[in-house]
Amino acid sequence: GENVEQHPSTLSVQEGDSAVIKCTYSDSASNYFPWYKQELGKRPQLIIDIRSNVGEKKDQRIAVTLNKTAKHFSLHITETQPEDSAVYFCAASRTGTASKLTFGTGTRLQVTL
Amino acid sequence: NAGVTQTPKFQVLKTGQSMTLQCAQDMNHNSMYWYRQDPGMGLRLIYYSASEGTTDKGEVPNGYNVSRLNKREFSLRLESAAPSQTSVYFCASSETWTEKLFFGSGTQLSVL
Repeated sequence: GENVEQHPSTLSVQEGDSAVIKCTYSDSASNYFPWYKQELGKRPQLIIDIRSNVGEKKDQRIAVTLNKTAKHFSLHITETQPEDSAVYFCAASRTGTASKLTFGTGTRLQVTL
Repeated sequence: NAGVTQTPKFQVLKTGQSMTLQCAQDMNHNSMYWYRQDPGMGLRLIYYSASEGTTDKGEVPNGYNVSRLNKREFSLRLESAAPSQTSVYFCASSETWTEKLFFGSGTQLSVL
């Protein structure tokens, strides 16, 4: 089955700096890669996703890049703000159903003033 | 429009006790899921129901049972709770043949 590794487990940045979280996956047939954000005590929520037919996707201050050859994908947050502080989870699956999603172990991002 | 609603939010059990976690969604989604979240382990799928009347095992089904009561409701039962089942449990739903998950607010369960 799929195995997803996520690094780092914790990340501290100053407000305004950029943050990068990286994930690697093992199943070369995986073609859907979402990122979920979980604020303290809240539910995980999808913030961005990418499919294997594109190499990069942006949504305002967040972007995801995908390198299919190396089997890794990354979340980039620019101009970080205190409200970006949360745990971020990457995941990977073959397209079609959420039941096949394999999640990474999470990265706790702390944005300091 | 409440989305995905879970009850209870917190629960403390003694080893060997049983309990049922309730989940309901009002988004008319066909698929529903139960995950557990443990420190350093991410989200792991316990059971899912692709549609009303069907249930399937996920990655960590041992010690759990589920019931898809109707299209809206999907319950998770612990028949004989063990300390290893101490975790945060999330219910989620999705539209058929899509990958986007909508999560409930979670249940923090402690088994002593």
